[in-house]
Amino acid sequence: DAGVIQSPRHEVTEMGQEVTLRCKPISGHNSLFWYRQTMMRGLELLIYFNNNVPIDDSGMPEDRFSAKMPNASFSTLKIQPSEPRDSAVYFCALPSGENEQFFGPGTRLTVL
Amino acid sequence: QKEVEQNSGPLSVPEGAIASLNCTYSDRGSQSFFWYRQYSGKSPELIMSIYSNGDKEDGRFTAQLNKASQYVSLLIRDSQPSDSATYLCAVNDAPGGYNKLIFGAGTRLAVHP
Repeated sequence: DAGVIQSPRHEVTEMGQEVTLRCKPISGHNSLFWYRQTMMRGLELLIYFNNNVPIDDSGMPEDRFSAKMPNASFSTLKIQPSEPRDSAVYFCALPSGENEQFFGPGTRLTVL
Repeated sequence: QKEVEQNSGPLSVPEGAIASLNCTYSDRGSQSFFWYRQYSGKSPELIMSIYSNGDKEDGRFTAQLNKASQYVSLLIRDSQPSDSATYLCAVNDAPGGYNKLIFGAGTRLAVHP
């Protein structure tokens, strides 16, 4: 899983609650992608960080979503308040080599 | 809107046969092309990358790229039941300014004994 730890692996929450998803590259990376995958919409890029700075957040659905990368070893994706339509698998991915990306194990989020 | 199109399948092939997966893309400026395999409940796993026209072989896998026709394909020789998965085609978004990938919806492959 690309040397990435994602936590939690599964999250079930109720509508309106705040959800925080975490991504920790095992060896420090200053670039990182967050994706969301659903059956209906497939794999979508949410946000891209480079040098710990958000470069492209055009895929972030709305203001309820926010992401941070305070250092090369940690990033968070927060949803507040969560809604049932946010139910999806959220992946972080690390860039490598010649334009390649390697995905973490993902967090399966269910919002009831 | 840049697009990457794949037949959703399922593509069903018998064990030992060649599976052929196809992908077309809309951005003529794209230069990097990838195939990911995703088992149910797992994350996408990069299995092939191709950057120039022609064929690239890696074991039982061959990626084929034709930039003029804007298609990329993946051939799996001697298909095994363990190859049963969803295969995602990804293409870089050329003007993105960084390695932004656009993914197709994936083709589900079923290899039956």
